[in-house]
Amino acid sequence: GQQLNQSPQSMFIQEGEDVSMNCTSSSIFNTWLWYKQDPGEGPVLLIALYKAGELTSNGRLTAQFGITRKDSFLNISASIPSDVGIYFCAGQTSGTYKYIFGTGTRLKVLA
Amino acid sequence: DTGVSQNPRHKITKRGQNVTFRCDPISEHNRLYWYRQTLGQGPEFLTYFQNEAQLEKSRLLSDRFSAERPKGSFSTLEIQRTEQGDSAMYLCASSSWSGDSGNTIYFGEGSWLTVV
Repeated sequence: GQQLNQSPQSMFIQEGEDVSMNCTSSSIFNTWLWYKQDPGEGPVLLIALYKAGELTSNGRLTAQFGITRKDSFLNISASIPSDVGIYFCAGQTSGTYKYIFGTGTRLKVLA
Repeated sequence: DTGVSQNPRHKITKRGQNVTFRCDPISEHNRLYWYRQTLGQGPEFLTYFQNEAQLEKSRLLSDRFSAERPKGSFSTLEIQRTEQGDSAMYLCASSSWSGDSGNTIYFGEGSWLTVV
């Protein structure tokens, strides 16, 4: 099935460091969503973005809707061990209500 | 305010058997989605309903797969004559359009299928 390009695929970081990840598409999207998934569980919504250029925060997390509408970015500041998990982006184009997901970024935090 | 509920959470079945998963969406949500996720991959879209109407289906949804949402509330996903390649987590999500929050989808905890 179709999936969005997400990078990096995985990353190890030290506790307290900031993290950045992004998602790119060849299609224009009108909504971007970011999720975190723990092993064996369903994805949990972190941030939703609805307008090009929008910058939205949720605690230590900040996400941006790229102005080209073909990309989105997620930043985590001052990472902590519980940030470990897989982060997925998801995008929705106009004319449909389905979402296409990214390939995921696996985050590991070293205490 | 209950979230999306899926059951069973885990199912082990022999190849060739039929399995059925159930999803109960968030109560006021009129859209319901099914996704499939294999290890190391992101969720892959299978199908979605708006009320009881199935509006879109992926080519991943082969003839052995059927999804229903008869009264526009809960949904079932049936897989007939299961194959080992069907082993995956099946995720259900729901949404409802809101002027403030668009069409944000919320997932259940998933149903794991293992075909042996």
